[in-house]
Amino acid sequence: DAKTTQPPSMDCAEGRAANLPCNHSTISGNEYVYWYRQIHSQGPQYIIHGLKNNETNEMASLIITEDRKSSTLILPHATLRDTAVYYCIVRAYSGNTGKLIFGQGTTLQVKP
Amino acid sequence: KAGVTQTPRYLIKTRGQQVTLSCSPISGHRSVSWYQQTPGQGLQFLFEYFSETQRNKGNFPGRFSGRQFSNSRSEMNVSTLELGDSALYLCASSLVGGLRTDTQYFGPGTRLTVL
Repeated sequence: DAKTTQPPSMDCAEGRAANLPCNHSTISGNEYVYWYRQIHSQGPQYIIHGLKNNETNEMASLIITEDRKSSTLILPHATLRDTAVYYCIVRAYSGNTGKLIFGQGTTLQVKP
Repeated sequence: KAGVTQTPRYLIKTRGQQVTLSCSPISGHRSVSWYQQTPGQGLQFLFEYFSETQRNKGNFPGRFSGRQFSNSRSEMNVSTLELGDSALYLCASSLVGGLRTDTQYFGPGTRLTVL
């Protein structure tokens, strides 16, 4: 699986959009970008995933650059409950393994 | 649909003992993966089970083992506990594992403390 690089921490004002970047310059053509978040001491929560098109669901939007070497997770209106560690994971789609390789993630602090 | 459940949620053991953790996947999910999370090493993959067979294993000693039952429920066992085994143990389930849109969903974890 490709390695990802994320800033260790970010702040965001409550009500504003939170934009979390992720670099994955060695991503292969069949590898998906997944985002999870983990609120303190809870299990990671799935947020969104994508291959090459931008994706949106009820939680967030995922913007993947045309060359697929980086992506941005957007929380449109951050709330205090969005304070968490956000993990960007690049995962191969072929093969029979369910293994996820987590990096250190980005700690997002949403401030009032 | 109920999420992934793990029991017990908290556990305290002493060095040298063994422990068994349980995971019930989301209904219909047949793949179960286990992860260990510690402050120093972060989230690390332990192993994955599908159809009662282990098909992937992380870099952990043989003291860590697991199994999966015919109803897809899974257990993991740690024998001869060491202080360094203190961690949050997470279980994740997915439909079959490894497919392009086969998302893993995590349980709340079991917090193991070894004294």
